[in-house]
Amino acid sequence: DTGVSQDPRHKITKRGQNVTFRCDPISEHNRLYWYRQTLGQGPEFLTYFQNEAQLEKSRLLSDRFSAERPKGSFSTLEIQRTEQGDSAMYLCASSRSGPSGNTIYFGEGSWLTVV
Amino acid sequence: AQSVTQLDSQVPVFEEAPVELRCNYSSSVSVYLFWYVQYPNQGLQLLLKYLSGSTLVKGINGFEAEFNKSQTSFHLRKPSVHISDTAEYFCAVTVDNYGQNFVFGPGTRLSVLP
Repeated sequence: DTGVSQDPRHKITKRGQNVTFRCDPISEHNRLYWYRQTLGQGPEFLTYFQNEAQLEKSRLLSDRFSAERPKGSFSTLEIQRTEQGDSAMYLCASSRSGPSGNTIYFGEGSWLTVV
Repeated sequence: AQSVTQLDSQVPVFEEAPVELRCNYSSSVSVYLFWYVQYPNQGLQLLLKYLSGSTLVKGINGFEAEFNKSQTSFHLRKPSVHISDTAEYFCAVTVDNYGQNFVFGPGTRLSVLP
């Protein structure tokens, strides 16, 4: 049983550039989540998919952020026109639906540094 | 809405000593509680969870936690820590079966000293 995998693990980009992160969830999990974590803080919810449908977005997810899960498997998170305030770790997590849906499993995270 | 408080931002402890990391929550409805551990530059790993039943739950790496509804607490304990336990520990609460409703505490950095 492979865990949640994320790519790339680290990304340094110049302000104004676009970046994209990929997440591959645990294979039998139909729910997928994106969280953001800044230094000294716990993760904050960004968005959530059930299969290919994006069911919820946090107000933290500005218009420059877009997430997709086109076939209900892997997901991408794109940040357009990056700003220094976007520097954070972006965590992907997945879970099953149903009674065990409240146990989420995280990937290793993708660190973004905007310079 | 629920919230989580982790009163100690940093906890230094000597190797082989016991440790307790405190977590208190606020919610108007029944909750599910979790502890996650994050090693440097890594994602979060599930340590243990309380969903229902016995209030004392055991997790990986020798950790355990006790749910106390009257005190709205879910403190994490280990009787003897190792250097490898040095990490950030996050308490989290949710009220349903949906991961987007997780609320995480700010974390406690456990430093185990030789």
